[in-house]
Amino acid sequence: NAGVMQNPRHLVRRRGQEARLRCSPMKGHSHVYWYRQLPEEGLKFMVYLQKENIIDESGMPKERFSAEFPKEGPSILRIQQVVRGDSAAYFCASSPSRDAVLTFGAGSRLTVL
Amino acid sequence: TQLLEQSPQFLSIQEGENLTVYCNSSSVFSSLQWYRQEPGEGPVLLVTVVTGGEVKKLKRLTFQFGDARKDSSLHITAAQPGDTGLYLCAVNTNAGKSTFGDGTTLTVKP
Repeated sequence: NAGVMQNPRHLVRRRGQEARLRCSPMKGHSHVYWYRQLPEEGLKFMVYLQKENIIDESGMPKERFSAEFPKEGPSILRIQQVVRGDSAAYFCASSPSRDAVLTFGAGSRLTVL
Repeated sequence: TQLLEQSPQFLSIQEGENLTVYCNSSSVFSSLQWYRQEPGEGPVLLVTVVTGGEVKKLKRLTFQFGDARKDSSLHITAAQPGDTGLYLCAVNTNAGKSTFGDGTTLTVKP
């Protein structure tokens, strides 16, 4: 039973380009969470999704960022027109139900040049 | 203000020493989790504490939940280099999401 799979593990983009980060939750998990982590800091909540629905996006910037979790396929975090301040590690976590313990992926590290 | 305050922010010790790190809040929680994150990896759950005053042991790690369920501590006995990492506490807040402290970065030198 594979864990939470994230790809790419490392992504380099130039300012103004788009970044797409993918997350496949654990088998049987329908709840997905995205977090952002800056160096030597904790994880900051971005968005919580449950199949095809955004439950809570209170931590996601209003512009340039979007997330989806389609009926088929992985969850995707999309960052348009990236800026240097978007450079961070983005972690996805999944759980089988709301309020259940989270299982994290290994993260996607975005570097914006 | 941070919901969870972790201290110290950084800790560097020699192999074999004991240490305690803290996670404090002014809010009451129904449960609290501790995670360890190694460089380049995602956080891995160590333990969940639920009951006020609860003590859980995981080999050389001892976790305690405060009587009032507002704070928690993690004590490591005879630290080893393999304990090096970022220790994060987290709580479930509204709508099912988890909120994390900023963590304690522990370095254990051989």
